Amino acid sequence: AQTVTQSQPEMSVQEAETVTLSCTYDTSESDYYLFWYKQPPSRQMILVIRQEAYKQQNATENRFSVNFQKAAKSFSLKISDSQLGDAAMYFCAPTQGGSEKLVFGKGMKLTVNP
Amino acid sequence: ETGVTQTPRHLVMGMTNKKSLKCEQHLGHNAMYWYKQSAKKPLELMFVYSLEERVENNSVPSRFSPECPNSSHLFLHLHTLQPEDSALYLCASSQDMSTGELFFGEGSRLTVL
Repeated sequence: AQTVTQSQPEMSVQEAETVTLSCTYDTSESDYYLFWYKQPPSRQMILVIRQEAYKQQNATENRFSVNFQKAAKSFSLKISDSQLGDAAMYFCAPTQGGSEKLVFGKGMKLTVNP
Repeated sequence: ETGVTQTPRHLVMGMTNKKSLKCEQHLGHNAMYWYKQSAKKPLELMFVYSLEERVENNSVPSRFSPECPNSSHLFLHLHTLQPEDSALYLCASSQDMSTGELFFGEGSRLTVL
């Protein structure tokens, strides 16, 4: 079964600073998608950013960007200019080989300190 | 009105009760999902429906019974649950099964006594 590893269960960052969340995964596929989802406390999980594995260019969405290293099977999320509203659980989720089902990591709790 | 609505938000039930969780999506999506979220564990995919047909059942115990009467509604019927079934149950929808982009509800927090 495909596994997704988010090695740091918790991180903290000062407001306005930059933080990087790590994620590694295993897959035998060459074409797949990767996602970062955010789950604020007691609120809905929402999509943060999406990357297509066949694209070499790293995805960016405003203050959020990824560092996708396909050969290393690494997909880290960088949050710039951190804001209090960024505090949440963050989940890395690549699609499972041969289908578009997502496989989620255990998540990482991000705390943003004022 | 949020895109994916789940009711109830909280549910406490005994092991002999029968209850149901409801999910409704207002996004015009064709696929709906049930996930189980337990503390310090990855989200577990339970069931997937595409165009009202079940396409995935990840070895979920029969005490969980899904129902998808139409593309907008999804139910999870619960009976004779165990305390280890206590968790947050998340419903999600997607346009179809090809994009991987899911839209989640806020979840139903289930406690089994």
